[in-house]
Amino acid sequence: EAGVVQSPRYKIIEKKQPVAFWCNPISGHNTLYWYRQNLGQGPELLIRYENEEAVDDSQLPKDRFSAERLKGVDSTLKIQPAELGDSAVYLCASGGRGVDNEQFFGPGTRLTVL
Amino acid sequence: AQKITQTQPGMFVQEKEAVTLDCTYDTSDPSYGLFWYKQPSSGEMIFLIYQGSYDQQNATEGRYSLNFQKARKSANLVISASQLGDSAMYFCAMREDYTGGFKTIFGAGTRLFVKA
Repeated sequence: EAGVVQSPRYKIIEKKQPVAFWCNPISGHNTLYWYRQNLGQGPELLIRYENEEAVDDSQLPKDRFSAERLKGVDSTLKIQPAELGDSAVYLCASGGRGVDNEQFFGPGTRLTVL
Repeated sequence: AQKITQTQPGMFVQEKEAVTLDCTYDTSDPSYGLFWYKQPSSGEMIFLIYQGSYDQQNATEGRYSLNFQKARKSANLVISASQLGDSAMYFCAMREDYTGGFKTIFGAGTRLFVKA
């Protein structure tokens, strides 16, 4: 079974530039998560989707971040414009509706904003 | 207040010995779940073990076991017979359930070093 796929793995941009990350979840998983992980810290949820619907985006900085999950499968997370403080690893995870709500993570995208 | 507290920034263990990684949590919800994830240097988070708040027995998965002490709100991870490949960051996480959904919160992690 293929795991969660993310691209790109690494991205270096200058501040004020836009950037987008892509995630393909595990087939059949209804729930998709985007997390941000700063250096030396645990992941922090940005947004959670149930199918196409964003059910928890309370931690998403909506002035510059946006996300979409068209057709309830792939998802894209965008930052526009990027700031120096956005440098982090952006993790995508997916999960089914099991009672333990286990999340399967992708390898992440490491963003560096110069 | 921190919802998930991992007080050990780093831990050392000798190969083949057991090690306990601490995790305490804070919630007033009766229904919640506790997870441990491993994050090697490659960056991918790997699920290790899960404990539900209503589970009577401590969870075990191979060399991993979760020492769940509900009254103390602790969910320590025990790794038996440590291997060099166990060197990684370990994150404790809690899923809080609420009407219509849930939220997962991660701790700051503990870096484990296994010595040969």
